[in-house]
Amino acid sequence: AQSVTQLDSQVPVFEEAPVELRCNYSSSVSVYLFWYVQYPNQGLQLLLKYLSGSTLVKGINGFEAEFNKSQTSFHLRKPSVHISDTAEYFCAVSGNREKLTFGTGTRLTIIP
Amino acid sequence: GAGVSQTPSNKVTEKGKYVELRCDPISGHTALYWYRQSLGQGPEFLIYFQGTGAADDSGLPNDRFFAVRPEGSVSTLKIQRTERGDSAVYLCASSPGQGPYEQYFGPGTRLTVT
Repeated sequence: AQSVTQLDSQVPVFEEAPVELRCNYSSSVSVYLFWYVQYPNQGLQLLLKYLSGSTLVKGINGFEAEFNKSQTSFHLRKPSVHISDTAEYFCAVSGNREKLTFGTGTRLTIIP
Repeated sequence: GAGVSQTPSNKVTEKGKYVELRCDPISGHTALYWYRQSLGQGPEFLIYFQGTGAADDSGLPNDRFFAVRPEGSVSTLKIQRTERGDSAVYLCASSPGQGPYEQYFGPGTRLTVT
């Protein structure tokens, strides 16, 4: 079984400042890791995914994440945020390549 | 091309009633998933179809919940004897097949049981 922990339920950040959204997972098997974003009144959209290979993964809208197996983490980062990044961010894990197990989400609020 | 669509977008029903929620996946996608998202929570897995068959239904909470995909495309999630605790947003996703493919999500159906 897999589980995902997103410790920060809300993260306020000033515009153009960097941000890191934390994600830790647990799994008894090899994992595939994902970050999804949910903009207000929209469906979930994939930001990026780690399947294998390089531990630094780049996604859309300037986001990137680093897979750290020893710390069982997959933190999401962006060097400079914009107002349009205001959204709910979900980390998810798949251990068998099929169903996703999601964290509880982090609400990112950008302060002008 | 068209994305995943779900109907209705909103459904209000009385406790004890039966409801059906529909999902139209992206054309050609063989895998289809149902998730449920309660307020303040992340989506929780309900059931996964590969083609017409349910490959994993371990997330269905009880026997009041049932889902079908008779022709391998459109899927219907059916909830009998609805309870107030069933109120949530029901999400559908599809992907091209088995493997670590991206799951494309629909906008969801907001179910409210009064």
